[in-house]
Amino acid sequence: DQQVKQNSPSLSVQEGRISILNCDYTNSMFDYFLWYKKYPAEGPTFLISISSIKDKNEDGRFTVFLNKSAKHLSLHIVPSQPGDSAVYFCAASVISGTASKLTFGTGTRLQVTL
Amino acid sequence: GAVVSQHPSRVICKSGTSVKIECRSLDFQATTMFWYRQFPKQSLMLMATSNEGSKATYEQGVEKDKFLINHASLTLSTLTVTSAHPEDSSFYICSARKTGLAGGLNIQYFGAGTRLSVL
Repeated sequence: DQQVKQNSPSLSVQEGRISILNCDYTNSMFDYFLWYKKYPAEGPTFLISISSIKDKNEDGRFTVFLNKSAKHLSLHIVPSQPGDSAVYFCAASVISGTASKLTFGTGTRLQVTL
Repeated sequence: GAVVSQHPSRVICKSGTSVKIECRSLDFQATTMFWYRQFPKQSLMLMATSNEGSKATYEQGVEKDKFLINHASLTLSTLTVTSAHPEDSSFYICSARKTGLAGGLNIQYFGAGTRLSVL
């Protein structure tokens, strides 16, 4: 049972344009969401997160949008750069005040072309 | 910063041997660390949650006698794959959660991973 889904396994975007990566979840208990970037043979790198009390969080070129009613979040990268080419994972958790597990999506491979 | 060091990055071993993987938080304390496994082109699957000073919590389907976890200090957790077999070959990744983050933030910082190949 995949509680966090990234339905697009890959995405190709031209340099300078906007990259939009999507993520859907089914567990309504999730209240904290994160995006990670991963290069081959490396561990994921934290990018940006959002709490369910917000619908938008921005950090430089990265913006995450959360639509709780649709159980959908998206990561916008603008402008996209060749160095952004990687696999992007969204993850979700339930904040309980103690260590909470992260549930990861299956990832979207982003290719930024020149 | 929040740096997590994982060692070794790659290990090749014979079937039946045991392999130990170390995960260290270098610039912060972590009461909780996590061990994941990733198969090719698949998501990260949580294997177990490692708690400093207590027993690890294993996910359903993960054999605790096969994957021994020790979290002896606030900066070190180890995963030992005992009596490794070819089906244990995979990419193992650890993460650490910063202790004391305000608001219950649950940001995990990941090591670089260990590629285990069992011959």
